Formats: sequence, structure tokens, C-alpha cells
Amino acid sequence: KAGVTQTPRYLIKTRGQQVTLSCSPISGHRSVSWYQQTPGQGLQFLFEYFSETQRNKGNFPGRFSGRQFSNSRSEMNVSTLELGDSALYLCASRIEGAWTEAFFGQGTRLTVV
Amino acid sequence: AQKITQTQPGMFVQEKEAVTLDCTYDTSDQSYGLFWYKQPSSGEMIFLIYQGSYDEQNATEGRYSLNFQKARKSANLVISASQLGDSAMYFCAMRETGYSTLTFGKGTMLLVSP
Repeated sequence: KAGVTQTPRYLIKTRGQQVTLSCSPISGHRSVSWYQQTPGQGLQFLFEYFSETQRNKGNFPGRFSGRQFSNSRSEMNVSTLELGDSALYLCASRIEGAWTEAFFGQGTRLTVV
Repeated sequence: AQKITQTQPGMFVQEKEAVTLDCTYDTSDQSYGLFWYKQPSSGEMIFLIYQGSYDEQNATEGRYSLNFQKARKSANLVISASQLGDSAMYFCAMRETGYSTLTFGKGTMLLVSP
């Protein structure tokens, strides 16, 4: 069974640009969450999608957005990039259920210069 | 207040020894789940073990066990017989009733030496 796939693995962007990250969940998983990981702030929740609907959103500015498609694949978009957006962005998928574990992808490392 | 506290920024252990990584949590919910993840330098978060708040027995998965003390709100990870491949960051996380997001601690870096 294939794991969670995130593309691209690495990105370098310039301040002010926008970026789109992609996440393909494990087959059968309809819940997809996104996390930002930085050395200073640690792991912070961005948003969660289930059946194409955003179910939860973390405390991030509106420049961060996402969506989920009918095949459960998800994308997140960051507009008007800032230097502080440099981070590892992790996507996780899980089977619906209160206590099911989340399976993570290898992440997309975004560097904003 | 921090929901998940991992007080050990780094831990050193020799190969084949056991090591305990500490985790305390804060919640007013009666029903919650606690998770441990391992993050090698490659970046991927690898699920290790889960403990539900109503589980009476401590969870075990191979060399990993969770020392769950509900009254103390602690959920320490015990790794028995450490291996060189165990060197990584370890994160404790919690999911509370009514929410589907994971709240993570700051992590503990474990280094296993030969």
C-alpha cells in the first residue's frame, strides 16, 4: 500500500511569490491535514479537509489556503510568500475515526529567499 | 498553557540500553488519545504507538511501550534495547474529543551511540 505522497520535496521561492504544494493520501483515507514545522514554532496545525470540506483551520493568516479534491488529494497554497514561511510542510492522512493514527508524508521543504 | 510538554530537548543512550522519553499533557477532556511519532532526518513523521485515555493497559508495540499515568497526565515512551536506527526526533501528540487535529510537543532528540 503506497504511503502519503507529497510533491515537490523541495522548493525555493522568492518573497512575494505564491506556491502550491500537493498531497496524495493513502488510498481509502478521506481525512487530510496539513502542518507547518519550523525550528522556532515546532509543529503547527494548518488545516484539515474531509470529503472536500475544510473541517478545521489553525491560526494562520489568510495567505494560507487549501482544498481537497473528490479523490481526496489535497493542495495547499501560500500567496505573497514571506521569509518566515520557510518551513517543512507536512501532510497527513487517516481513516475517519476519533482515535485513528495519522500517517505522514515526507514533507515539502520550502525555502523563501 | 502548553498542551503537550516534552522537557528533554536531547537524550543520549548507548546501543542495547532502554531509554524513557518524557511527555506530560494538559486537557480537561475525559476522552482523548495520545500518540508518539518518530521523525528521522529525512523529515517523515513515523507513527509509533497510541494510548487512549480509557485504555486500562499500557500500550506496547514491539520495542516501544507507553508508560501511561493518567492521574499525573503523563505518557512517557519507553524504547527497549535501543538501536542505532532509533536516533531521531521523537514527538508526543494529543488528540482531544471533538477535535480531529493533533497537538504536538516540541520534541526530544534521541542519539544512540555504539
